[in-house]
Amino acid sequence: EIVLTQSPATLSLSPGERATLSCRASQSVDIYLAWYQQKPGQAPRLLIYDASNRATGIPARFSGSGSGTDFTLTISSLEPEDFAVYYCQQRKIWPPVTFGQGTRLEI
Amino acid sequence: EVQLVESGGGLAQPGGSLRLSCAASEFIFSNYAMSWVRQAPGKGLEWVSTISETDGRTFYADSVKGRFTISRDNSKSMVYLQMNSLRDDDTAVYYCAKGIFTGVVVSFDYWGQGTLVTASS
Repeated sequence: EIVLTQSPATLSLSPGERATLSCRASQSVDIYLAWYQQKPGQAPRLLIYDASNRATGIPARFSGSGSGTDFTLTISSLEPEDFAVYYCQQRKIWPPVTFGQGTRLEI
Repeated sequence: EVQLVESGGGLAQPGGSLRLSCAASEFIFSNYAMSWVRQAPGKGLEWVSTISETDGRTFYADSVKGRFTISRDNSKSMVYLQMNSLRDDDTAVYYCAKGIFTGVVVSFDYWGQGTLVTASS
């Protein structure tokens, strides 16, 4: 099973600042990594798929990078609505499909 | 706009059963694998099961294998999760999710609103 480790667990920033979230895989997942955003009481929302592709309707301030075992989600300039929990997820080797434990982005 | 609407959640006793349903619309349902993902209260996301688009291949997390059964009816654009021998740790919000590409793809571009399953005496 591929283990995804996200860091930091919590990130405290202010609107307008740049956010950098990390996801490390226990073995290579090539580019087959996705990022999701989840707000309280809501379903997850796909932001990035296959490491660097923005999903439909996702603002350009969200970008993803990386391959192999190390991945980054960057939010270039935080908007108030970006404060949420972010999860990475791999689809390279499954079952099982695995998610990271999440990074909480807070003000 | 793609819609996924779950139903069937509720309270069940440990050892009991529930059947979740997910109604899909506004996409060619038979072209996409469908999955269930759950989230225990205050916890992260956990993949539960996936079913292929037409040939009925199924995949399960070890935690539910032998107890849960995923199925689909392409004529009705429905996917189901039969949950038997429920345990306390099955308590979670269960989301239905659609694969991002045709075929058996397990990143998810659309999610339902979730249905809460509580396994408790």
